[in-house]
Amino acid sequence: DTEVTQTPKHLVMGMTNKKSLKCEQHMGHRAMYWYKQKAKKPPELMFVYSYEKLSINESVPSRFSPECPNSSLLNLHLHALQPEDSALYLCASSQTAGLANRETQYFGPGTRLLVL
Amino acid sequence: GQSLEQPSEVTAVEGAIVQINCTYQTSGFYGLSWYQQHDGGAPTFLSYNALDGLEETGRFSSFLSRSDSYGYLLLQELQMKDSASYFCAVSGIYTGGFKTIFGAGTRLFVKA
Repeated sequence: DTEVTQTPKHLVMGMTNKKSLKCEQHMGHRAMYWYKQKAKKPPELMFVYSYEKLSINESVPSRFSPECPNSSLLNLHLHALQPEDSALYLCASSQTAGLANRETQYFGPGTRLLVL
Repeated sequence: GQSLEQPSEVTAVEGAIVQINCTYQTSGFYGLSWYQQHDGGAPTFLSYNALDGLEETGRFSSFLSRSDSYGYLLLQELQMKDSASYFCAVSGIYTGGFKTIFGAGTRLFVKA
């Protein structure tokens, strides 16, 4: 099973809403990632979790709050977002964060977020 | 910091061979990956090179020269379904820890 699942597939939210994006993998991977991707742009790293601990925060605004409840789950809590935060949010996982010989990242299908 | 350069667009005909180049500037380099992304889809892993040389996986091959900070993706026997964006990505230990940084992507158009 090389699948990373994400819910919801689509999300529309107002600037005062609170919502959460969910990501799950059952490959035994110990590194999980959140990326943001705008149209016709590359994925842009937001957060890295390694062994359930936050190892990298790429200076992401605090209105994005990640959480890793266990080794299979990764959440991204959203609060008071801005219209410019509208994008595809991708979750990915890999065996480890740099310790394995080959760091293939497996991406989920993404959540397409629209902030009104 | 890290930077990657790849062509923004490439057009080729069905059945042909196309090469997408990637040059990078980075420190703490572990390896170079290639990902394919169709419009509306998620990136999918194609290949990874940590050492110099050619890696072949079916119709796709990837090459790395660490001394030249250069790699390429070679797609053979092009099919219409290969029309997609292709990203090269460098992985390594950078400020904050292990990261993968993506290039801007190359849009490949395959014509009949």
